[in-house]
Amino acid sequence: AQKITQTQPGMFVQEKEAVTLDCTYDTSDQSYGLFWYKQPSSGEMIFLIYQGSYDEQNATEGRYSLNFQKARKSANLVISASQLGDSAMYFCAMRDTSYGKLTFGQGTILTVHP
Amino acid sequence: EAQVTQNPRYLITVTGKKLTVTCSQNMNHEYMSWYRQDPGLGLRQIYYSMNVEVTDKGDVPEGYKVSRKEKRNFPLILESPSPNQTSLYFCASRPLEGGGQPQHFGDGTRLSIL
Repeated sequence: AQKITQTQPGMFVQEKEAVTLDCTYDTSDQSYGLFWYKQPSSGEMIFLIYQGSYDEQNATEGRYSLNFQKARKSANLVISASQLGDSAMYFCAMRDTSYGKLTFGQGTILTVHP
Repeated sequence: EAQVTQNPRYLITVTGKKLTVTCSQNMNHEYMSWYRQDPGLGLRQIYYSMNVEVTDKGDVPEGYKVSRKEKRNFPLILESPSPNQTSLYFCASRPLEGGGQPQHFGDGTRLSIL
């Protein structure tokens, strides 16, 4: 069975600083995908970034990058130059390739201070 | 605009009164799914569908039903709601092809069962 663990219930960062949100996963699959979603206080789920298990380079999308360490089974999200609008809940998720189910972590609440 | 539409957005009802949450997507996606979000547990999959007339259980299917008679619609049915089904519900869709395709989420439905 797949499992995603986010060990940081809450994180604080100063505006314009970088922050890393941790995510570890467990799977016996060789092929899988890792996703990060942002959920602001308004409740919608916003896709941020994707990393495939066979991708050799870490994924980047604007200020978001994914620090993928396959041997450690970690997929940490790095947000550079934090903005007040980054304050939200962040979810790490893994998709298996058989049924395409997304398994989510518990989430990390990020608060950006001015 | 490409979107997943859920209705209602909010509902307060009583135990045992059957209810249906509708979900519709306009992206011609084959895969559709329902999740519930509870504090500390992240999102958990209730049911999913890989195409018309093809549905299967996710991790927490008890107390729920779904149907997929048309490609665009995937309603979630609570035949006899109970208070432990009070939660935030999300419908999501994505194309079957392309492992990196993220799921597109609806804006969520907040259900309160009294």
